[in-house]
Amino acid sequence: DAKTTQPNSMESNEEEPVHLPCNHSTISGTDYIHWYRQLPSQGPEYVIHGLTSNVNNRMASLAIAEDRKSSTLILHRATLRDAAVYYCILRDSNSGYALNFGKGTSLLVTP
Amino acid sequence: NAGVMQNPRHLVRRRGQEARLRCSPMKGHSHVYWYRQLPEEGLKFMVYLQKENIIDESGMPKERFSAEFPKEGPSILRIQQVVRGDSAAYFCASSPPSSYNEQFFGPGTRLTVL
Repeated sequence: DAKTTQPNSMESNEEEPVHLPCNHSTISGTDYIHWYRQLPSQGPEYVIHGLTSNVNNRMASLAIAEDRKSSTLILHRATLRDAAVYYCILRDSNSGYALNFGKGTSLLVTP
Repeated sequence: NAGVMQNPRHLVRRRGQEARLRCSPMKGHSHVYWYRQLPEEGLKFMVYLQKENIIDESGMPKERFSAEFPKEGPSILRIQQVVRGDSAAYFCASSPPSSYNEQFFGPGTRLTVL
């Protein structure tokens, strides 16, 4: 499986944008980029996914580099409820249903 | 629309006992996945089931662990003769047929083996 690299932790002020980076230099052409987040003591929650083009939904935006070797999850205005561990995951569209979570980035949001 | 339900939320077992974890997928979802999260680690895939079929159990330990998703009723993850190393959070997720893009996770069962 192609691996992802994320910073262990990041900090943001409330109501400011947050850019969470993810490196995936060994990504293959059939890998989707997924983001999930896990709030304390809860199960993971889907955030967004994409293949090549940038994606927007009500929760966040996903910016994918042109060479697809990195991506950035953008939270436009962080709130205290966005404090969570954010996981960047590659899923092979040919065979992949299994999500293998790394350690993710722990986002701290301060008032 | 109720989300994925798991019970119990917390389970304490002594070494050598059996643990049974239950998962009811979202309505209309026929795909169930089980994951395990060890302390301070990310979730690791264990098994993927559809109704009455195990599709992929490559992430499940070969011994003591089994999973089923019967035609009627919840999916069950069964751990026989539990050991301390089985202490973890076990998460179930579900997805609709023919869609792997979004998995919906339950709140998890936290298993503690004394």
